[in-house]
Amino acid sequence: DIQMTQSPSSLSAFVGDRVTITCRASQNINNHLSWHQQKPGKAPKLLIYGASTLESGDPSKFSGSGSGTDFTLTINNLQREDFATYYCQQSYSTPHTFGQGTKLEVK
Amino acid sequence: QVQLLESGPGLVKPSQTLSLICTVTGGSMTSGSYYWSWIRQPAGKGLEWIGRIYNNGSPNYNPSLKSRVTISVDLSKNQFSLNLSSVTAADTAVYYCARVSLLDHHLDIWGQGTSVTVS
Repeated sequence: DIQMTQSPSSLSAFVGDRVTITCRASQNINNHLSWHQQKPGKAPKLLIYGASTLESGDPSKFSGSGSGTDFTLTINNLQREDFATYYCQQSYSTPHTFGQGTKLEVK
Repeated sequence: QVQLLESGPGLVKPSQTLSLICTVTGGSMTSGSYYWSWIRQPAGKGLEWIGRIYNNGSPNYNPSLKSRVTISVDLSKNQFSLNLSSVTAADTAVYYCARVSLLDHHLDIWGQGTSVTVS
């Protein structure tokens, strides 16, 4: 199985800040990487796929980059609705594993 | 707008089979090219991919669950289902169904999730 490692596991930031979350795959996954946002008690929601393509309807404050094994999710101008847990997932080979999640909290 | 909704018992006894159904509304499962997937999340923990199935019924399963899991599709009802046999307390989780885009196999639409307790 491909292991997905996110860092940090938790992150505190102020409203208005810019934050970056990193996801590393244990082997090359090309750009088969998606990011999902999950708020407490809710289902995850797709933010970015193909490592850098923003899902339609999602604000451009979210951006993704990377290829191969190293990927990042950047969130600009944090607002209160952005404080949530973020998961990366590889869809290069089954099982389509997830990172352990990054919990973004307000400082 | 396509939506997915999970349904099934919220409580299952140990050693029995957990059975869930995902109903797809707002569009036909046969229109477009998609897989259909199940994911679960124990309370306070991360997401675990269980498996997926294509419209033609060809499934892929997580090896960690493969001996116990069956995913099937009923196109006539616009539904797909999950059966997980010989459950234990470790199978207690919120179970999500999701649509998988064939573009690069990412999950593009999630159901709201259904909580299952094994006790």
